[in-house]
Amino acid sequence: DQQVKQNSPSLSVQEGRISILNCDYTNSMFDYFLWYKKYPAEGPTFLISISSIKDKNEDGRFTVFLNKSAKHLSLHIVPSQPGDSAVYFCAASQDDKIIFGKGTRLHILP
Amino acid sequence: DAGITQSPRHKVTETGTPVTLRCHQTENHRYMYWYRQDPGHGLRLIHYSYGVKDTDKGEVSDGYSVSRSKTEDFLLTLESATSSQTSVYFCAISEFEARDRAEQYFGPGTRLTVT
Repeated sequence: DQQVKQNSPSLSVQEGRISILNCDYTNSMFDYFLWYKKYPAEGPTFLISISSIKDKNEDGRFTVFLNKSAKHLSLHIVPSQPGDSAVYFCAASQDDKIIFGKGTRLHILP
Repeated sequence: DAGITQSPRHKVTETGTPVTLRCHQTENHRYMYWYRQDPGHGLRLIHYSYGVKDTDKGEVSDGYSVSRSKTEDFLLTLESATSSQTSVYFCAISEFEARDRAEQYFGPGTRLTVT
């Protein structure tokens, strides 16, 4: 029973274009949402987060949008760069734990 | 880079043998976590600790035990390794002082193969 779902296992985007990664959740008690990025043979690194009381958070090329009524969040990367090729994990905070989705592999095409 | 190290980084062991993985932090964070990452499953929480000698189970805790005798060290033990425990194991730390400090910072991972 997945509480955090990333339904697209992979995504390919042209360099310079916008990458949009999506995530759905089922638990309305989640109060904090995060995105992590992972390169092969490395640990995940924290990218950006958003509190449930907000609907948008921006940090440079990265913007996270939260739609609480739809239980949906998305990560926008603009413009996409070759170094953005990685696996992206959506995560949600519940008490003192974080629940992760299965990840979406992003390929940035030259 | 948060000060988190994991040892060993790679290990091959035989079914039925005990294995201990170590996570060491220099950040003095209260919370420490052990995850495993498997294809098609993402990151799944095994056990976590919210202080010295205070631990709790995650979603995939069967076959694993943990100990935390010092703030900086969190040990994960497989009492009798099985092939299903072949995985990449990640340690993470967090301050979690408030709801808006939920970020976890991950170590480099340990690749464990059980033959």
